[in-house]
Amino acid sequence: KQEVTQIPAALSVPEGENLVLNCSFTDSAIYNLQWFRQDPGKGLTSLLLIQSSQREQTSGRLNASLDKSSGRSTLYIAASQPGDSATYLCAVRTGNQFYFGTGTSLTVIP
Amino acid sequence: NAGVTQTPKFQVLKTGQSMTLQCAQDMNHNSMYWYRQDPGMGLRLIYYSASEGTTDKGEVPNGYNVSRLNKREFSLRLESAAPSQTSVYFCASSDGHPTNEKLFFGSGTQLSVL
Repeated sequence: KQEVTQIPAALSVPEGENLVLNCSFTDSAIYNLQWFRQDPGKGLTSLLLIQSSQREQTSGRLNASLDKSSGRSTLYIAASQPGDSATYLCAVRTGNQFYFGTGTSLTVIP
Repeated sequence: NAGVTQTPKFQVLKTGQSMTLQCAQDMNHNSMYWYRQDPGMGLRLIYYSASEGTTDKGEVPNGYNVSRLNKREFSLRLESAAPSQTSVYFCASSDGHPTNEKLFFGSGTQLSVL
């Protein structure tokens, strides 16, 4: 069974800092990997999707990379802002299901 | 754009009561999912429907039933609620080739079973 891990569980950084969130998975037979943002009391919003054949995707200040062979992905957030404070989850598409990590709770301090 | 709509947003039940969570999507997606989210455990799949007329069990199906009423609607039923079913429930939908299949989520239902 696919296992997805996100470390750290929580992260606090000062505004303006660049940061990296990590996601690892045990089964490299994935179709894609998605990064989501979840605000308190809200649903999940897709940020980036990386197909299994791709190495990275970028959207604005966000850059996600994928190393399928080592079972790792990173989400890089440049010049963090207080509005980036949220929980970030990764999910991999394996077989006919999506498997989620438990998320990293990010706080950006003004 | 409505996307994925879930009702209700909040619900309190007593042990043994039943209820149905409703979900509808307007994106013409084939696949729909029900997840529960518990602190420290991430999202766990309860049931999914790969297409209209089909449903399959996920990781934690016990105590739940589902109905794919049509392509738009996918409901989750708790026949006899238990305190262990206190959770936040999310409906999601997706479509397309697995390599670029993106998940879209509803805003969730916070359920408390007393």
